[in-house]
Amino acid sequence: EAEVAQSPRYKITEKSQAVAFWCDPISGHATLYWYRQILGQGPELLVQFQDESVVDDSQLPKDRFSAERLKGVDSTLKIQPAELGDSAMYLCASSLATSGGDTQYFGPGTRLTVL
Amino acid sequence: GQQVMQIPQYQHVQEGEDFTTYCNSSTTLSNIQWYKQRPGGHPVFLIQLVKSGEVKKQKRLTFQFGEAKKNSSLHITATQTTDVGTYFCAGHASGTALIFGKGTTLSVSS
Repeated sequence: EAEVAQSPRYKITEKSQAVAFWCDPISGHATLYWYRQILGQGPELLVQFQDESVVDDSQLPKDRFSAERLKGVDSTLKIQPAELGDSAMYLCASSLATSGGDTQYFGPGTRLTVL
Repeated sequence: GQQVMQIPQYQHVQEGEDFTTYCNSSTTLSNIQWYKQRPGGHPVFLIQLVKSGEVKKQKRLTFQFGEAKKNSSLHITATQTTDVGTYFCAGHASGTALIFGKGTTLSVSS
């Protein structure tokens, strides 16, 4: 069964450093999502792509976070500079379309610890 | 903005007991989805409800969508240790992103 791939699985960094996460969605899935999940809470959407275009980045802290999906396939989420409060699980998900009722398939996530 | 609330936050049961988690939205939803996240894992889609008053079953799991499409519930009959995890509801209102609740964490002792 096809899966969403993410790397790295774990990342430890010091505050003020730059970090980057990579996601490869399920083949053929047009929509890609980046979520942040703080321990004990549900995932919160950071950014949503439809192919290579950003559909929703209203919750993305744009002063330090950036995301791209240049060829409409895989995607990178970057944080620069990282802050202590950025420690969380960063989940990538993909779905076939953006109808709003599509099943989202999540990757294993990247656990970020900022020291 | 739209909020999705879940109760209880935690629930511990003895194996064989029933379990229910409730989800309430501040706005009317187009659909509601349920996900399960095992400890150390990632959310896995369980089901989607779309119609007012809809009830769906998956083996021992029963999902309901309220008549006003603002609330939902997940009921597990005769829990097993394999049911351990956090159950999230996620609501989608028209034109908005999917909003996740904080989840209900279920623990089961044998």
